[in-house]
Amino acid sequence: AQSVTQLDSHVSVSEGTPVLLRCNYSSSYSPSLFWYVQHPNKGLQLLLKYTSAATLVKGINGFEAEFKKSETSFHLTKPSAHMSDAAEYFCVVSPFTGNQFYFGTGTSLTVIP
Amino acid sequence: DGGITQSPKYLFRKEGQNVTLSCEQNLNHDAMYWYRQDPGQGLRLIYYSQIVNDFQKGDIAEGYSVSREKKESFPLTVTSAQKNPTAFYLCASSPRLAGLGMQETQYFGPGTRLLVL
Repeated sequence: AQSVTQLDSHVSVSEGTPVLLRCNYSSSYSPSLFWYVQHPNKGLQLLLKYTSAATLVKGINGFEAEFKKSETSFHLTKPSAHMSDAAEYFCVVSPFTGNQFYFGTGTSLTVIP
Repeated sequence: DGGITQSPKYLFRKEGQNVTLSCEQNLNHDAMYWYRQDPGQGLRLIYYSQIVNDFQKGDIAEGYSVSREKKESFPLTVTSAQKNPTAFYLCASSPRLAGLGMQETQYFGPGTRLLVL
């Protein structure tokens, strides 16, 4: 069975400090993994994706994520938070087999000035 | 510009009324999806389609219907059988349906918020 767990429903950081949003997954085979960002009343925008190439994936707006198979994790990081990063973030897994995308419940990021 | 459009941005439904949400894409994608988003629950799959004239139920299809008469269009009808329709509805597409070793990326529209009067 496939599942995605976002370990924190809310994360709050000060502007200029690092961001860490945690995601663990379960999947039978090597999955594709994604992070999306959603601003209020907007659709989801792709931040980055892992598709079995380099384990450290760089995305837009300075975000990156590292695929760690041994820990079944795909945590999202950014060295320095900006006010515009305040949004909802979703971790998504697409298994090697099957035809669905599985979404985490989301992490709401607040950036404090 | 290529992308996915959804209309309307806000939609109001009266009791017993069917309403239809529009989703159009000009990305030449074969696969399209409808999701429902409720606070704190992430996204749940309503229906998906991998090709014209084909569609499959997702996890919460009851009270909804879809059609796929054209590659670029995948409208969702919220029927009167859906007792709790208030939600944010997101349409997405991908070049092909995920699975069987193909690694696909979904692209999302801006969403439609449905409210019940």
